[in-house]
This record gives sequence, C-alpha cells and structure tokens, in this order.
Amino acid sequence: SQQGEEDPQALSIQEGENATMNCSYKTSINNLQWYRQNSGRGLVHLILIRSNEREKHSGRLRVTLDTSKKSSSLLITASRAADTASYFCAHYSGAGSYQLTFGKGTKLSVIP
Amino acid sequence: KAGVTQTPRYLIKTRGQQVTLSCSPISGHRSVSWYQQTPGQGLQFLFEYFSETQRNKGNFPGRFSGRQFSNSRSEMNVSTLELGDSALYLCASSQMGGPNEKLFFGSGTQLSVL
Repeated sequence: SQQGEEDPQALSIQEGENATMNCSYKTSINNLQWYRQNSGRGLVHLILIRSNEREKHSGRLRVTLDTSKKSSSLLITASRAADTASYFCAHYSGAGSYQLTFGKGTKLSVIP
Repeated sequence: KAGVTQTPRYLIKTRGQQVTLSCSPISGHRSVSWYQQTPGQGLQFLFEYFSETQRNKGNFPGRFSGRQFSNSRSEMNVSTLELGDSALYLCASSQMGGPNEKLFFGSGTQLSVL
C-alpha cells in the first residue's frame, strides 16, 4: 500500500497549546497536502507544500517537509476548541497520477 | 460559488441491492474524484473522471462503477451491495485534476448496508 502514516493517531491538548502532527509517506512526491475533517463531514484543504519547499506558513499553521526522510509535520499554534477535527496528509501517487493518497489521520481534540 | 454537492446525504440499503450516488462539482471544475472512507481502511480512492473519461481507478471490485456527464456532474454506482460497503462516500472536484491541485470535497453520502 502507498498509504502514508500519521502519528500520533490521536492527540488531546488544552486550548492555547500547540499541536504537532507528523506524516510519513513512501513514494517520491511533487507536493504534499494537509486536509482537515470535522466529524462525519467532507475534507477541507489546509495547505500545500511543494517538494522544493522546506517550510510553509498559513495563519496559525506551519508545515515542514523533509523529502530525504519522506516526512512532513503540521503544527497548529495557539489551538482553539474549533480546531478539534481529524487531520490528514495526502500526496499524489506518482507521475501522471490523478489519485490522491491519504494517510490514516490524526484525531485532534482541543479541550476548552 | 456553490461548493461540491452530494446527494443523498444518508442512505440505508439492504444486502444485494444497488445504489447510485450523485455529485455536482464546483462550477468550472472538470475533474471529479470519488473516495470511500471507513474506520478500518481510512480514505481509499475509487476513481477520477475528467471530461467524461475515467483517468484513474482504485483497487475496488467491478461492482463499483462511475460515470461523468458533459456538465461535469458525476454519479457512482455500487451493485450487489455487501455489508462491507457501509461507508462515507466522498466526492471531490478540482479544475483539471492532477498533482498540483487541491481538492474541494462535498459533505459525503453516508451509506449503511443492512
């Protein structure tokens, strides 16, 4: 399977703390994306980092990418209860692919 | 701009029946993908369509099929339903599809097979 892995599988933090989620993948990539899913709903795109980028910021989100280790991390700073959701990393499966392969996700709970 | 619309939102079927799910992409988007999400297997790719042509198919049995119409709307069909087909089916759209695009997802159809 080309499916990546996120860790931890679940994370529980207090509001205001930072949350870090990690993702590993197995193939070479053009870019890596992160998505959020609120319980039982569709996914929402958060950020895309290209393979030639090492770090990218968007608001309270910071994503890093290490292509030599085939890994990425998502940092959410100053978390809020509304950040409670599952977070997935995803990448396209090879050259010419139209298939986005998702990791298993990290379930984040932010306690008010 | 309206988002990706999936209908119905919930569906209950019995084993052996067939089901058709519908997806209307964001206006102007020509690529539509389908994903199955279950607690055990996570998000799994079903297929991707662009201009009425299937460009990619995931590792699912032939009971799972789809199509795309000239207005980019898409349907997927599951025949001879099995208990294991119970899942959240998600549709996503993008302008052209491919490795540099992000996907816009609908809210999904929750299918329960009894």
